[in-house]
Amino acid sequence: GDSVTQMEGPVTLSEEAFLTINCTYTATGYPSLFWYVQYPGEGLQLLLKATKADDKGSNKGFEATYRKETTSFHLEKGSVQVSDSAVYFCALSSSNTGKLIFGQGTTLQVKP
Amino acid sequence: NAGVTQTPKFQVLKTGQSMTLQCAQDMNHEYMSWYRQDPGMGLRLIHYSVGAGITDQGEVPNGYNVSRSTTEDFPLRLLSAAPSQTSVYFCASSYSGGGESGETQYFGPGTRLLVL
Repeated sequence: GDSVTQMEGPVTLSEEAFLTINCTYTATGYPSLFWYVQYPGEGLQLLLKATKADDKGSNKGFEATYRKETTSFHLEKGSVQVSDSAVYFCALSSSNTGKLIFGQGTTLQVKP
Repeated sequence: NAGVTQTPKFQVLKTGQSMTLQCAQDMNHEYMSWYRQDPGMGLRLIHYSVGAGITDQGEVPNGYNVSRSTTEDFPLRLLSAAPSQTSVYFCASSYSGGGESGETQYFGPGTRLLVL
């Protein structure tokens, strides 16, 4: 079945460092890919998404490119801030039925 | 718009008790889902619905029931609570069409459940 694998956390960075969180997927067909973020004590909110190969999603300085050849959707940010500290989830949807398959989540901690 | 609302925010149950977690959305979304979040396991789909009167099982449905009598509401029932159901439960809704809003799920704030 479909699945998503994220890099193990936690990831600890200093402010203004470069961030990469790896995400790879297994799916039949052509899934849509998502990054969700969960701030402490809150629900999940969409960070960015891409619906077809080579699409780049971007938001709040974060970017991820849908790479079908490597089945990857890695999250990047050039300069992280303390306020980016959160849990990041990679997810896919292979049918538009309101079903998401999530990776296990990666905790990011940014220190001043 | 209130978005997706969930009640209660926190609940303690004893093993064997039953309860209903409430979820409502005011965005007229056709699709609604329930997930549970456990440490190191991400979110796992319990049940989902593609419209009023239509529900289906997700990855971890055992011990839970759902119904969808209206577009707005999607309650999750725990029939006989077990310690293994201690988790954080999230409800989500999404629009069925395409475009920018398509497939984007909107999540509620969650219900933290402790089963003793």
